[in-house]
Amino acid sequence: EAGVAQSPRYKIIEKRQSVAFWCNPISGHATLYWYQQILGQGPKLLIQFQNNGVVDDSQLPKDRFSAERLKGVDSTLKIQPAKLEDSAVYLCASSQGTLETQYFGPGTRLLVL
Amino acid sequence: DQQVKQNSPSLSVQEGRISILNCDYTNSMFDYFLWYKKYPAEGPTFLISISSIKDKNEDGRFTVFLNKSAKHLSLHIVPSQPGDSAVYFCAASGSGAGSYQLTFGKGTKLSVIP
Repeated sequence: EAGVAQSPRYKIIEKRQSVAFWCNPISGHATLYWYQQILGQGPKLLIQFQNNGVVDDSQLPKDRFSAERLKGVDSTLKIQPAKLEDSAVYLCASSQGTLETQYFGPGTRLLVL
Repeated sequence: DQQVKQNSPSLSVQEGRISILNCDYTNSMFDYFLWYKKYPAEGPTFLISISSIKDKNEDGRFTVFLNKSAKHLSLHIVPSQPGDSAVYFCAASGSGAGSYQLTFGKGTKLSVIP
């Protein structure tokens, strides 16, 4: 069974630029999560989707971050404009349902200069 | 306010000995606890979990103990192997709220010395 796929794996941008990350969850997984992991910290949930609907985006900085999950499969996370403090690893995870074990992708490492 | 705390940033253990990783939590609504293992440049991998109705769960070399009164859990790895060297994250959720949102600790880096 293929795992969670993410791209790109690494991205370097300058502050105020825009960036987008892509995630393809495990086939059949209805729930998709985006996490931000800053160096030395644990992952922090940004947004949770159930199929193509948002379950929780309370920790998403909505003035600059946006996410969508069209058709309830793939998802994109966008940052516009980026700030220095957005430098982190962005992890995507999926699960069969909201109370099931989450499986993580390899992450996208973002560096904002 | 950190709701899940892993107070030891790192731990070194000799191969073959026991590794004990500790985790404390403050939110009494948490009722499901997990340990994830993370290698460099990879995403976290689920290792073992425990529900608050239990005080112990075992899977091969890995055992998780839960002390609800102390709001403390620990992961025991016996015997430790060099391949166990990784960062271990403790995570908690309150499934009674109807969602499986995980709150993670900062992680403990385990080094198993051959």
